Amino acid sequence: EAGVTQSPTHLIKTRGQQVTLRCSPISGHTSVYWYQQALGLGLQFLLWYDEGEERNRGNFPPRFSGRQFPNYSSELNVNALELEDSALYLCASSRWDSPLHFGNGTRLTVT
Amino acid sequence: AQSVTQLGSHVSVSEGALVLLRCNYSSSVPPYLFWYVQYPNQGLQLLLKYTSAATLVKGINGFEAEFKKSETSFHLTKPSAHMSDAAEYFCAVSATNNNDMRFGAGTRLTVKP
Repeated sequence: EAGVTQSPTHLIKTRGQQVTLRCSPISGHTSVYWYQQALGLGLQFLLWYDEGEERNRGNFPPRFSGRQFPNYSSELNVNALELEDSALYLCASSRWDSPLHFGNGTRLTVT
Repeated sequence: AQSVTQLGSHVSVSEGALVLLRCNYSSSVPPYLFWYVQYPNQGLQLLLKYTSAATLVKGINGFEAEFKKSETSFHLTKPSAHMSDAAEYFCAVSATNNNDMRFGAGTRLTVKP
């Protein structure tokens, strides 16, 4: 069984630019979660998608957004990048009855 | 709302020694509790989970955790540390099995030869 896959693995952007991160869940998983792991701040919940709908979002500004496609894959978009957006962005997927399964993340560096 | 507090951001043990990583939770409903491990440059891997079936939960790689309601704790232990256990460990709590999971700040475990 293939795990959660995220792309790209690394990304370098300039302040003010926009970025799109991608996530493919485990087959059969309908929920996708996005977390931000910034240095020294632990895992911060960003967004939860299930069956194509945004179900919940964490305490992040609206420039963080995303969507889930009919095949349950997901994109995270970040507009107007700021230096403090530099972090590891983790995607996780689950079914209704399972814990979260994580991908290896996308390392975003904003300069 | 649920939350967890991990006591100690860094723990160092000698190879072969007991590993004890501490986690205390706060939850207004009976919680689901989890321990995840993160190796360098990787995502999080589930070690074990508590879902009220048994207070002592055995996980992968020889780890186990005990749910103590009276102490609101869910500490992670392993009798004998191995060099390969060096990683960051996260405790998490949820009111359901997944969709409102909240993580602790993490504890970095170092294993000395």
